Amino acid sequence: DAKTTQPPSMDCAEGRAANLPCNHSTISGNEYVYWYRQIHSQGPQYIIHGLKNNETNEMASLIITEDRKSSTLILPHATLRDTAVYYCIVKADSWGKLQFGAGTQVVVTP
Amino acid sequence: DSGVTQTPKHLITATGQRVTLRCSPRSGDLSVYWYQQSLDQGLQFLIQYYNGEERAKGNILERFSAQQFPDLHSELNLSSLELGDSALYFCASSVESGTGAFFGQGTRLTVV
Repeated sequence: DAKTTQPPSMDCAEGRAANLPCNHSTISGNEYVYWYRQIHSQGPQYIIHGLKNNETNEMASLIITEDRKSSTLILPHATLRDTAVYYCIVKADSWGKLQFGAGTQVVVTP
Repeated sequence: DSGVTQTPKHLITATGQRVTLRCSPRSGDLSVYWYQQSLDQGLQFLIQYYNGEERAKGNILERFSAQQFPDLHSELNLSSLELGDSALYFCASSVESGTGAFFGQGTRLTVV
């Protein structure tokens, strides 16, 4: 599975959109981009995933560039409860193992 | 609530002992994964089972073993425990196709 690069930390103001970048320049054509988050010591929580097209659900939007070498997770209106470590993961199939990196520590401030 | 249930939530045991962690996957999920998260460490993949068969192995120590039963629940057995085995242990489950894996709330193991 391709490796990903994320900034180690980001701050975001409550109520504003949080845009979390992820680089995956070695992604293959059959690899999906997954986003998870982990709120302090809780189990990781699935957010969203995509292959080529942009995706949106009740939690977030996922924007994947046309060349698929990078993506952005957008939390449209960040709340204090969105403070967490966010992980961008690339893997080839929907049920294979997830390899977690260091992720991005997002802190939402009032 | 992810639908994945892990028991116990907390476990304190002495070095050299053996413990068993249990995971009940979401209804219908055939794959179960185990992860370890030590203090200040990332989530390390240990092992995956699919419908009772071992599917993938990660950085799992020889002192650790797992199995998935016919009812699809899984157990992670940790033996000859050392202080360094103190960690959060997470179980996750998934269907073969779908929205990725869903995690339980973990078992916090403390070895004293």
